[in-house]
Amino acid sequence: DTEVTQTPKHLVMGMTNKKSLKCEQHMGHRAMYWYKQKAKKPPELMFVYSYEKLSINESVPSRFSPECPNSSLLNLHLHALQPEDSALYLCASSQRLGRRGASGTGELFFGEGSRLTVL
Amino acid sequence: QKEVEQDPGPLSVPEGAIVSLNCTYSNSAFQYFMWYRQYSRKGPELLMYTYSSGNKEDGRFTAQVDKSSKYISLFIRDSQPSDSATYLCAMSHATLNTGNQFYFGTGTSLTVIP
Repeated sequence: DTEVTQTPKHLVMGMTNKKSLKCEQHMGHRAMYWYKQKAKKPPELMFVYSYEKLSINESVPSRFSPECPNSSLLNLHLHALQPEDSALYLCASSQRLGRRGASGTGELFFGEGSRLTVL
Repeated sequence: QKEVEQDPGPLSVPEGAIVSLNCTYSNSAFQYFMWYRQYSRKGPELLMYTYSSGNKEDGRFTAQVDKSSKYISLFIRDSQPSDSATYLCAMSHATLNTGNQFYFGTGTSLTVIP
């Protein structure tokens, strides 16, 4: 079983709705990620949080708003989405952050994903 | 040129066959190499992780990394129908300020026929 937990597993929303995706990990990882995955494509990076600070935003539209309340939690707030935003949204975490002297592994662990459908 | 190249398949093999999945890459700074298995409509599951060059074995799975050729492989022995999934390779290098950047292959779709 994955140690990265995402809720909800499925979400259907209209273009005027506001909803949130939630992610939790208890592996002590200090980097957390949001990816978007379309059918038959690899995951596409959206955001990276490093020590609870946003470190990478891959030019994601402002209708997606990430939040990292603490080192274990990651949220993705959704507002005024478009039908083309329908996809599997994956949360992931990793330990090693590339800081000088840091030790640890470079594995990236994914959650099961939240399947989003925008009507 | 993409950072990571992976043959998308699809690959279809009979049960019990040995499966070989491969990725090539262009960035010699990659240090960490991963293989994921992804079932339809599920998140990717980490199967194998290797740091730098060498082989790693876990049950029916063997991962190989050849940094000199910039080539990684995943071998599945005695393949089972339950191995039918998409297999993604991924790799990363640690950067000082932003942490790991992960680069994915496009995935290979595997079907194991009973």
